[in-house]
Amino acid sequence: EPEVTQTPSHQVTQMGQEVILRCVPISNHLYFYWYRQILGQKVEFLVSFYNNEISEKSEIFDDQFSVERPDGSNFTLKIRSTKLEDSAMYFCASRDKFYFGPGTRLLVL
Amino acid sequence: GQQLNQSPQSMFIQEGEDVSMNCTSSSIFNTWLWYKQDPGEGPVLLIALYKAGELTSNGRLTAQFGITRKDSFLNISASIPSDVGIYFCAGRGGGSNYKLTFGKGTLLTVNP
Repeated sequence: EPEVTQTPSHQVTQMGQEVILRCVPISNHLYFYWYRQILGQKVEFLVSFYNNEISEKSEIFDDQFSVERPDGSNFTLKIRSTKLEDSAMYFCASRDKFYFGPGTRLLVL
Repeated sequence: GQQLNQSPQSMFIQEGEDVSMNCTSSSIFNTWLWYKQDPGEGPVLLIALYKAGELTSNGRLTAQFGITRKDSFLNISASIPSDVGIYFCAGRGGGSNYKLTFGKGTLLTVNP
């Protein structure tokens, strides 16, 4: 069964630093998503991406966030200047059966 | 935005018992999904429901898509210790981007 993969599995950063989270979606899928889960809370939608463009974003996805697909396979989420409240699990997902990746645990100190 | 109300928040049961949890919404969803999440891992899809009234099983798990399209339930029969985890419902509304809205989860504990 094909899988969504994410790197790194864990990232610790200082407040104000930039982080890039990476995802390799299932090949031949066209829609890609980032979701966030703050510890102990529900999974929340951040952004969906189709045809190299953002198709929808939530109010969480402010100007500090950006997404791109730089090389046709990887799908990245960049947080420009991290805040303490950005600490969460970040999940990449791919359409068709709604598969989620294993997540990146981001800790902002 | 769309909200899902998932209940119960937590359940503590004995091994072998049956379990039922549900999600309701004030909005209509076109797809209902049930996920299980173990600590530190991503949600794993258990069952996907695509049509109102649909009843689908996956081993000891059974889920139904409510006729009004505003609710869904998940049943687990003859629970075992490895059923422990957090169960999330998720719904997809209209539109083409397949964004999911999640419930807050049900924490299931199974006492051997």
